[in-house]
Amino acid sequence: GAVVSQHPSWVICKSGTSVKIECRSLDFQATTMFWYRQFPKQSLMLMATSNEGSKATYEQGVEKDKFLINHASLTLSTLTVTSAHPEDSSFYICSVRVGAGYTFGSGTRLTVV
Amino acid sequence: KQEVTQIPAALSVPEGENLVLNCSFTDSAIYNLQWFRQDPGKGLTSLLLIQSSQREQTSGRLNASLDKSSGRSTLYIAASQPGDSATYLCAAQGNYGQNFVFGPGTRLSVLP
Repeated sequence: GAVVSQHPSWVICKSGTSVKIECRSLDFQATTMFWYRQFPKQSLMLMATSNEGSKATYEQGVEKDKFLINHASLTLSTLTVTSAHPEDSSFYICSVRVGAGYTFGSGTRLTVV
Repeated sequence: KQEVTQIPAALSVPEGENLVLNCSFTDSAIYNLQWFRQDPGKGLTSLLLIQSSQREQTSGRLNASLDKSSGRSTLYIAASQPGDSATYLCAAQGNYGQNFVFGPGTRLSVLP
């Protein structure tokens, strides 16, 4: 079946630094990838839709200058959290629609200290 | 291994009807259960989240219940509208940070 690989699975960074999260579709091409985040005890929330070769579409309330998304190829989308702060600590997960369903990456737990 | 199923697979109702969507999961040790809405070509929209310690959640015309012991959750939609037409997915999460296990979805059509 379709596999989406997400790295790193967890990362700790200092406040003010930037962190890049990668999402790869391993055996299929993904023109569209979705980025979600989840805070503890809260639901999974869509942040943005990543489109290959064009600008990402951000959901209301998500700062596009802070969460940079690059979808430069049909198999790779990256999310960069710039100038991270402790309130950015969350679980980030990417997803790709495959046929009638969705395949999710394994997620990245970001802790900003 | 968690498995999630949903019944019915598809549903077509006239506008104004109240309806119930069903979700079943095999492992009752869940962190939370979520209901999502899927519109064609778009990402998932979270509708309701029920923590493992809760029994139900309500948002507007939507009400979701959770019965962990029986491995069931239901999504109740009151006074359905054509704009409710979409695919509804339930998903069980075993622990914070773990992957979601999704059901196959119920495709709902509300006819004007």
